[in-house]
Amino acid sequence: GESVGLHLPTLSVQEGDNSIINCAYSNSASDYFIWYKQESGKGPQFIIDIRSNMDKRQGQRVTVLLNKTVKHLSLQIAATQPGDSAVYFCAENLGYNTDKLIFGTGTRLQVFP
Amino acid sequence: EPEVTQTPSHQVTQMGQEVILRCVPISNHLYFYWYRQILGQKVEFLVSFYNNEISEKSEIFDDQFSVERPDGSNFTLKIRSTKLEDSAMYFCASRLFDEKLFFGSGTQLSVL
Repeated sequence: GESVGLHLPTLSVQEGDNSIINCAYSNSASDYFIWYKQESGKGPQFIIDIRSNMDKRQGQRVTVLLNKTVKHLSLQIAATQPGDSAVYFCAENLGYNTDKLIFGTGTRLQVFP
Repeated sequence: EPEVTQTPSHQVTQMGQEVILRCVPISNHLYFYWYRQILGQKVEFLVSFYNNEISEKSEIFDDQFSVERPDGSNFTLKIRSTKLEDSAMYFCASRLFDEKLFFGSGTQLSVL
């Protein structure tokens, strides 16, 4: 069935360290993936996306890696800052006949000084 | 930076009452959505809307729900007779052509 899941519900890191947030997806037909950041009281904020024809994409301090063989997605945040503290969701889109996003359960990232 | 605006931020209603949640999507966007998030659960798709009609809806989006784009700028979600289990944060979202979806800050609906 459809499911997008996260391995770690809470991740605590020291300020300045790199963070890695993981996501497993079950739909091998999914062709588009997105990471969202959600701060308390706010809506999901787009971070970075990747298509299934890529395995890596970099943004500013963030990198998304896609491993289609094991259906795994990760978000790497370099030099994590206190402002990165939030809940991070991965989401997938099947791409054909639908444009709805299927969200994972979320990982809370806590950054300590 | 343009953003999706939702009002009100909080809505409290009695069970059985009608509620209308309002959204102003980003002005040049073409595709519009409602999602919801029950406390502690995943963000769930409700409905998508394009070219003045519903393009897709989930099982949650039953006859009690409706959407409307009455004037070319607003996008509303109506729940005709609210139930306790409708309590959730409701997010409006919009996009232009690509899949990059922009979300509003949400309306927290509490049904008593």
